[in-house]
Amino acid sequence: DSGVTQTPKHLITATGQRVTLRCSPRSGDLSVYWYQQSLDQGLQFLIQYYNGEERAKGNILERFSAQQFPDLHSELNLSSLELGDSALYFCASSVALSGANVLTFGAGSRLTVL
Amino acid sequence: AQKVTQAQTEISVVEKEDVTLDCVYETRDTTYYLFWYKQPPSGELVFLIRRNSFDEQNEISGRYSWNFQKSTSSFNFTITASQVVDSAVYFCALSGMGDYKLSFGAGTTVTVRA
Repeated sequence: DSGVTQTPKHLITATGQRVTLRCSPRSGDLSVYWYQQSLDQGLQFLIQYYNGEERAKGNILERFSAQQFPDLHSELNLSSLELGDSALYFCASSVALSGANVLTFGAGSRLTVL
Repeated sequence: AQKVTQAQTEISVVEKEDVTLDCVYETRDTTYYLFWYKQPPSGELVFLIRRNSFDEQNEISGRYSWNFQKSTSSFNFTITASQVVDSAVYFCALSGMGDYKLSFGAGTTVTVRA
């Protein structure tokens, strides 16, 4: 157990729907990252939060949004879902804000859009 | 922009053989960090090693060793005396000093046969 908790583990939904993925970081970690892993795109960075504030943004679609709450858990909202959004979504956390940080990853949330 | 290239898509070996994974990176940063992560069939991403750009000393940790060569922008990883449990996808990753995200390579799938 890495200490990073992601729910749900699996999610099957239909095109056009909206889902929310949840992440609880490892105890003591202030920074949360979201990554998408798909067969064609590999591991893609989506967005990062530090202590409640957005700090870095990657190739995140406008249909996707995220936030980090005061208790440091984070949610990734995916709306108007398309078939191509089917992927494994990882949350990771780290202690501080530095490129030297080792990211601890959760087990991932596998999203299937039918 | 950071870029990581893992030219090997798949490697298959017999147990007890050594496996070397190649990684080539591109960055304009003078200070940066290199990582190897492992993704076993269960799906989670597990941190293996980290190296900073100022330390080119190569090390061995158990059955793992790495060869960092700044002159050729390479950060290769070797598993000595491979075991079936080493079967996984291995990712090389890069981050800059002020770059909070990890940029991952496409991954190399290692299959160790008994």
